[in-house]
Amino acid sequence: NAGVTQTPKFQVLKTGQSMTLQCAQDMNHEYMSWYRQDPGMGLRLIHYSVGAGITDQGEVPNGYNVSRSTTEDFPLRLLSAAPSQTSVYFCASRDPGGNEKLFFGSGTQLSVL
Amino acid sequence: SQKIEQNSEALNIQEGKTATLTCNYTNYSPAYLQWYRQDPGRGPVFLLLIRENEKEKRKERLKVTFDTTLKQSLFHITASQPADSATYLCALEPSGNTPLVFGKGTRLSVIA
Repeated sequence: NAGVTQTPKFQVLKTGQSMTLQCAQDMNHEYMSWYRQDPGMGLRLIHYSVGAGITDQGEVPNGYNVSRSTTEDFPLRLLSAAPSQTSVYFCASRDPGGNEKLFFGSGTQLSVL
Repeated sequence: SQKIEQNSEALNIQEGKTATLTCNYTNYSPAYLQWYRQDPGRGPVFLLLIRENEKEKRKERLKVTFDTTLKQSLFHITASQPADSATYLCALEPSGNTPLVFGKGTRLSVIA
């Protein structure tokens, strides 16, 4: 199993550009989530999904869209990038029902100029 | 307000000593608490989970305690090694089937 795969690893955008961060997992996990990690702020939840067709907002959802058309994929879209979205983004998945560990991807480092 | 706090941003310790990291929370009643390790440029990796009815859990040189009265978890690494140098994160689930909330982490440096 590859686990949780994120692409790209690095990305530089200009303000106002759009892009999609890809996340795929091959563990058949129903639950998937996106976090951003900033110095001094820790991991903050952006959006999450408990299954295909179901998404919900986390602590910092503004400026981001998600969709979940399959169990495997959970892309994160930035519609109009802003410098405040410069961060490291992590995708994570776990089995449903709680009490289970999160499996994280290796992250995407995004810079918005 | 609800908070999960790791008291030390950074901790330096001599090789061979026991490192103790603290995680405190307020206005949560978690059923369990988790600890993760994160190396630079990598995603966090799960280490241990301790449930509210467990006082202590061990895995090799790692030991976690959970005191629901003090609302605190302690994470110990015994006989620490330079390879243990990393950032350690605690996390809890605010209520059943809700996303994990993370502390900001403690960066541990083990000096040879």
